[in-house]
Amino acid sequence: QVQLVESGGGVVQPGRSLRLSCVASGFIFSDYGMHWVRQAPGKGLEWVAIYTSGGNYKSYADSVKGRFTISRDNSKNTLYLEMNFLRTEDTAIYYCARGGSFDSWGQGTLVSVSS
Amino acid sequence: QAGLTQPPSVSKGLRQTATLTCTGNNNNVGHQGAAWLQQHQGHPPKLLSDRNNNRPSGISERFSASRSGNTASLTITGLQPEDEADYYCSAWDTNLSAYVFGSGTKVTVL
Repeated sequence: QVQLVESGGGVVQPGRSLRLSCVASGFIFSDYGMHWVRQAPGKGLEWVAIYTSGGNYKSYADSVKGRFTISRDNSKNTLYLEMNFLRTEDTAIYYCARGGSFDSWGQGTLVSVSS
Repeated sequence: QAGLTQPPSVSKGLRQTATLTCTGNNNNVGHQGAAWLQQHQGHPPKLLSDRNNNRPSGISERFSASRSGNTASLTITGLQPEDEADYYCSAWDTNLSAYVFGSGTKVTVL
């Protein structure tokens, strides 16, 4: 069965960096576009970034453009999110999700940005 | 980035029908349709219907999606207590080159 497992979250000070990972299993990882989606405490879902399956196309939400970088290693079935210059408003649960319709989700990893 | 418009809440009685709406524009919902997701408190979202209005395997037939122009709809028939959750729509926006989510609708079963 499809499984997505995020890791790398934690507490970090504003301005610092963090790298999230999402390990996929149960499907051919390289065949799917993959997303990062976040959810601030008590708030709705916010799309963060996508890395498509072919053509190495990436796209970002305006709120993270220039600070966050999405990447993937198909040989390791892993999606990454490098987050730099973190702000307090980046505090959220970060989920990875699969495909154009977000058909599978991980359990999420909590990122807390606080001084 | 502008999101999709969803009503904040919908309340209906047990076994009644609820219809949730998601309004976008020609660049997102009107262009490629919208996916619908359900999220129970403390859990990750779950896909109910993809942007072509198809239900994934295992999703109850009580959930059905449709689209008319720039508005997508999710109809939940025979409401059950377990349907109490937040519901989100999402679509790719060709103008923004980004995905957008609705702000979510909280469904309460009375």
